[in-house]
Amino acid sequence: DAMVIQNPRYQVTQFGKPVTLSCSQTLNHNVMYWYQQKSSQAPKLLFHYYDKDFNNEADTPDNFQSRRPNTSFCFLDIRSPGLGDAAMYLCATSDIPHNEQFFGPGTRLTVL
Amino acid sequence: AQSVTQPDIHITVSEGASLELRCNYSYGATPYLFWYVQSPGQGLQLLLKYFSGDTLVQGIKGFEAEFKRSQSSFNLRKPSVHWSDAAEYFCASGGSYIPTFGRGTSLIVHP
Repeated sequence: DAMVIQNPRYQVTQFGKPVTLSCSQTLNHNVMYWYQQKSSQAPKLLFHYYDKDFNNEADTPDNFQSRRPNTSFCFLDIRSPGLGDAAMYLCATSDIPHNEQFFGPGTRLTVL
Repeated sequence: AQSVTQPDIHITVSEGASLELRCNYSYGATPYLFWYVQSPGQGLQLLLKYFSGDTLVQGIKGFEAEFKRSQSSFNLRKPSVHWSDAAEYFCASGGSYIPTFGRGTSLIVHP
């Protein structure tokens, strides 16, 4: 089945220690998104790629970076995680930006 | 700018009872509208979507939603709730660009 895969499902890191979360898709979608979701809140869009075109949300901290080396893969880098970055990180894809999104299962990040 | 309002933070229903979750959107043109469900610790799954045409949309798991332009609403309904429907439900509205999510409604199902 076509799907969105996130690895790892659970990630524990130390305060200030860089961490990378990965996302891959077999849907061949043009658009890939990274969301941050804290408990009992809606997903918050961090950035998205439309093909190779990177779009950063205005309020996404500089501490968060992303890479999309090819259509299938997208990475979220947190350069110096703080306690406030502990959250669920969701990757999603869509064929075009305003269409339905397909979500991965998420990566739960814990910062010690 | 587009926005989505889900006025109910929590909804509690008994198993077998009917359900309606409210969603209001703000967008000048006809929006693209979505309902997603999120089980604990999981990603979001699309229940149904509306782009145009018939204003009553059928989705998966027995859910339906009705688009009412006059009320700027897209409420989600289910005639008989199952315990497995307990989850977080998000309404989203997309216009010309990326969908905007509402804050979500947590559905609690009593046996």
